[in-house]
Amino acid sequence: SQELEQSPQSLIVQEGKNLTINCTSSKTLYGLYWYKQKYGEGLIFLMMLQKGGEEKSHEKITAKLDEKKQQSSLHITASQPSHAGIYLCGADTPPGRFGAGTRLTVKP
Amino acid sequence: DTGVSQDPRHKITKRGQNVTFRCDPISEHNRLYWYRQTLGQGPEFLTYFQNEAQLEKSRLLSDRFSAERPKGSFSTLEIQRTEQGDSAMYLCASSTTRDLRWFFGPGTRLTVL
Repeated sequence: SQELEQSPQSLIVQEGKNLTINCTSSKTLYGLYWYKQKYGEGLIFLMMLQKGGEEKSHEKITAKLDEKKQQSSLHITASQPSHAGIYLCGADTPPGRFGAGTRLTVKP
Repeated sequence: DTGVSQDPRHKITKRGQNVTFRCDPISEHNRLYWYRQTLGQGPEFLTYFQNEAQLEKSRLLSDRFSAERPKGSFSTLEIQRTEQGDSAMYLCASSTTRDLRWFFGPGTRLTVL
């Protein structure tokens, strides 16, 4: 079965700094999803990537799926305290799998 | 609100008791997933349904766990003879096969004393 490895496991950054979170799959990704979870709350959908080389942005968050479709990166520009939370990548082959998550702390 | 709902939101039980959780997916969603999440970890896949058929079960789902989706709408997850290790957040999500984004419910937090 497909495994999703996320790195780093946790990240502490100063407000205003940029950061990148990676998600690596052991198999080709046919759909890669990024979610955010605030502590103790449900998961919120951020972006979905399906095509190799695809890049999507929402506000200050950009996600990209590499051409070989086995790795995705999530980049946050000029981080803010509101970006803090757990970022999770998910894939659908087999259905409903997630990485272990990256815990982001943004220090004001 | 037509999002995914879960009931109850919190459950405290004593070891050895049985508990049942309910999930109501978004009405037009034919896929429903159950996950377990512990502190600091991503959701662990437990099982998923497409309509009323349970298509996959994780090895994490021991014999004490059973899930049903009898009419292809709401689903229940039952844990028999609860153990302290069952304490976790149980999340439900739904999706369609056309758009595979998962929509998550708020979760049921289980505490086994």
